[in-house]
Amino acid sequence: GAVVSQHPSRVICKSGTSVKIECRSLDFQATTMFWYRQFPKQSLMLMATSNEGSKATYEQGVEKDKFLINHASLTLSTLTVTSAHPEDSSFYICSARLGGSSGNTIYFGEGSWLTVV
Amino acid sequence: AQTVTQSQPEMSVQEAETVTLSCTYDTSESDYYLFWYKQPPSRQMILVIRQEAYKQQNATENRFSVNFQKAAKSFSLKISDSQLGDAAMYFCAYSFYNTDKLIFGTGTRLQVFP
Repeated sequence: GAVVSQHPSRVICKSGTSVKIECRSLDFQATTMFWYRQFPKQSLMLMATSNEGSKATYEQGVEKDKFLINHASLTLSTLTVTSAHPEDSSFYICSARLGGSSGNTIYFGEGSWLTVV
Repeated sequence: AQTVTQSQPEMSVQEAETVTLSCTYDTSESDYYLFWYKQPPSRQMILVIRQEAYKQQNATENRFSVNFQKAAKSFSLKISDSQLGDAAMYFCAYSFYNTDKLIFGTGTRLQVFP
């Protein structure tokens, strides 16, 4: 079974509202998780690194006030898209490392489709 | 900055045949990791194979093997005895040695014909 779970898998929201996506590591603790964004027929682009107990690290060009990331526990990271607009519609996917050493297996969640209408 | 290039947007192969997907990357680091991920229509990212840059031996996972050429910064994926279930998008990815941030290529869509 999946070791990283995302919820919801699909969400539709109205323009101007906020929506939260959860990423959970199942049966293991993840001090670091990553959030990616994938537009249709494109590659995955790293948005930010979610650090448990501290502020997220955002990639260049990603608006931290728009994409709020909270990593309040060792098994849960959340991505909140604030004041969503149609151009935020995309596939959002998270990942977490299983194991304490860099380079160990990285597992991805099932992803979340966001549609802003 | 590190970049990953996949020059083949689409590839096709006959069932039971062998296909090779190309990937090149650019980095000034000496230690890093390289990956191939498979993304089927469900969009779930599935790890196919992983290679540590400090290992000269090419990684192999059943029908999947890589040709890692460090000097040439090339990391191709060979799929032997192709199966219908291998049809998917394949992404080549790079990560720094001390982090799990992945830099992805643009992907190659693999079609498998019966």
